[in-house]
Amino acid sequence: GAVVSQHPSRVICKSGTSVKIECRSLDFQATTMFWYRQFPKQSLMLMATSNEGSKATYEQGVEKDKFLINHASLTLSTLTVTSAHPEDSSFYICSARVIEAMSYEQYFGPGTRLTVT
Amino acid sequence: QKEVEQNSGPLSVPEGAIASLNCTYSDRGSQSFFWYRQYSGKSPELIMSIYSNGDKEDGRFTAQLNKASQYVSLLIRDSQPSDSATYLCAVRIQGAQKLVFGQGTRLTINP
Repeated sequence: GAVVSQHPSRVICKSGTSVKIECRSLDFQATTMFWYRQFPKQSLMLMATSNEGSKATYEQGVEKDKFLINHASLTLSTLTVTSAHPEDSSFYICSARVIEAMSYEQYFGPGTRLTVT
Repeated sequence: QKEVEQNSGPLSVPEGAIASLNCTYSDRGSQSFFWYRQYSGKSPELIMSIYSNGDKEDGRFTAQLNKASQYVSLLIRDSQPSDSATYLCAVRIQGAQKLVFGQGTRLTINP
């Protein structure tokens, strides 16, 4: 149980274009999903918390107009990187929190490796 | 002071020995504690969660929590080369949904 998928697993795009990444909880419902970014040999950096049906909460320093997050259902959240630049190249990982009240366990998707040329 | 601190390592342990990974946290109101394993190039995988003081065992893994000392650890018994990975400690502070992650400890099990 508690499987999270991401699509695509790898994407290469040209500078200035936009890229959409999907995160799905496959066997459970997730009111809350999280988006992280990880640069090589660094730890996870939380970008935003996404709650179903409401606006995402962005961490300090993360541009909300550049990283658009939509959490339209209890099983799907999307991250759109708009006007991507080479410095946006990174490993983007989503996680989902199981809905039970007492459990704050987060399960991670396999990640999306973005390369902007 | 970082909210969650781990020794970055690398920590090198011979195969079959016990690997001990440590983590300290600064917020005394923290309530939920997690250990994740991350292989190179992959996403983190939840290994253990612990919510109350004491030990929690799951197979070869034991999580230990001491809230008075603001300390959580992970023991891996009978270490295997496949345990070689980066181990991330994560803490949920009181009132928050998000987890705060440490920098991770890189563990290498030597055959």
